[in-house]
Amino acid sequence: GQQVQQSPASLVLQEGENAELQCNFSSTATQLQWFYQSPGGSLVSLLSNPSGTKHTGRLTSTTVTKERRSSLHISSSQTTDSGTYLCAIDRNSGTYQRFGTGTKLQVVP
Amino acid sequence: EAGVTQSPRYAVLQEGQAVSFWCDPISGHDTLYWYQQPRDQGPQLLVYFRDEAVIDNSQLPSDRFSAVRPKGTNSTLKIQSAKQGDTATYLCASRDRGREQYFGPGTRLTVL
Repeated sequence: GQQVQQSPASLVLQEGENAELQCNFSSTATQLQWFYQSPGGSLVSLLSNPSGTKHTGRLTSTTVTKERRSSLHISSSQTTDSGTYLCAIDRNSGTYQRFGTGTKLQVVP
Repeated sequence: EAGVTQSPRYAVLQEGQAVSFWCDPISGHDTLYWYQQPRDQGPQLLVYFRDEAVIDNSQLPSDRFSAVRPKGTNSTLKIQSAKQGDTATYLCASRDRGREQYFGPGTRLTVL
């Protein structure tokens, strides 16, 4: 089965609203990374957060390793935040990442 | 510092044709990955290398796909006899000893 599940699959927000994206994984993770992908674009790393809470700009990620879940909070959303947000885990350090199917975010003016 | 570079950016083929994709990782990164990303899905690993050695190619369709990284730097992914089901974006990524992974811009392949 899918080892990394993300929810919601899609989300539409008014500009200025906050977003909460979820990532649940079925195996232990030594590394967890959140990526952003614009339509037709490549993946840009947002945060690497295997445990605890990390902030960068308007983004906050909280990972609870023993519960196998992570969240990405986007505050004061902007239209330029529109795109797909992907969560990826490493099961063992330095191997390869397993990705979820992503959350497609649309922020409208 | 230059990022991961890939070429070509786009490729359109007829079924049965061959194509090669090229990747130049970030200098000094020991690990290089090739992922396939079908439309509206997350990337899925095809193969990865540590230096010049193949670490995992179990998800590479070996009868038509091949990948090499002969000097532990650049890498080439080749598809022989492409099929419509190979239509996807092919992403290369590199990593330094288990730290964050960095992706190239991808090659968008369409097989007609």
